[in-house]
Amino acid sequence: NAGVTQTPKFRILKIGQSMTLQCTQDMNHNYMYWYRQDPGMGLKLIYYSVGAGITDKGEVPNGYNVSRSTTEDFPLRLELAAPSQTSVYFCASSYRMGQGSTGELFFGEGSRLTVL
Amino acid sequence: KNEVEQSPQNLTAQEGEFITINCSYSVGISALHWLQQHPGGGIVSLFMLSSGKKKHGRLIATINIQEKHSSLHITASHPRDSAVYICAVRKETSGSRLTFGEGTQLTVNP
Repeated sequence: NAGVTQTPKFRILKIGQSMTLQCTQDMNHNYMYWYRQDPGMGLKLIYYSVGAGITDKGEVPNGYNVSRSTTEDFPLRLELAAPSQTSVYFCASSYRMGQGSTGELFFGEGSRLTVL
Repeated sequence: KNEVEQSPQNLTAQEGEFITINCSYSVGISALHWLQQHPGGGIVSLFMLSSGKKKHGRLIATINIQEKHSSLHITASHPRDSAVYICAVRKETSGSRLTFGEGTQLTVNP
């Protein structure tokens, strides 16, 4: 199993450009998440999904969009990139346990995005 | 005030020392996670616990639900343990979402 795979690992964008961060997992996990991590700060939830066709906003969703057309894939789209979106982005997944709770988290290797 | 507080923020130890990292939270939770972020940036899950104690190799995690406190212990520390250790909680009211502490930077010197 590859686990959680994120691409690209590094990207430089100009202000106003758009791009998509790809995330795929091969563990048949229901739950998937996108986080951003700014230098010296904790992880902040951007968007999450509890299953194919279902997505919801996290703490910092502005400037981003997601879709979940399949169980495996959870791409994150940045529209009109801004310097404030310079960060490291992590995709993660987990399996569903009973009563809406989740199991262990599995993370991708991260994508370092710089907006100039 | 953050709902999840870790202490210390930074910790330097000598190889072989016993290390404790603390996590306190102010909300009702259904589970607590300990994560390790390597110097290269990758994040791995160490423990998920909702009560008592778990052990994996030289790592031990404990949680006291009544006191809203968890500890991560590392016995016989080694330079390869140098990393950021992150505490995260799943609040009773937030379903599948986690709230993260800001991490503890651990450096173990040879």
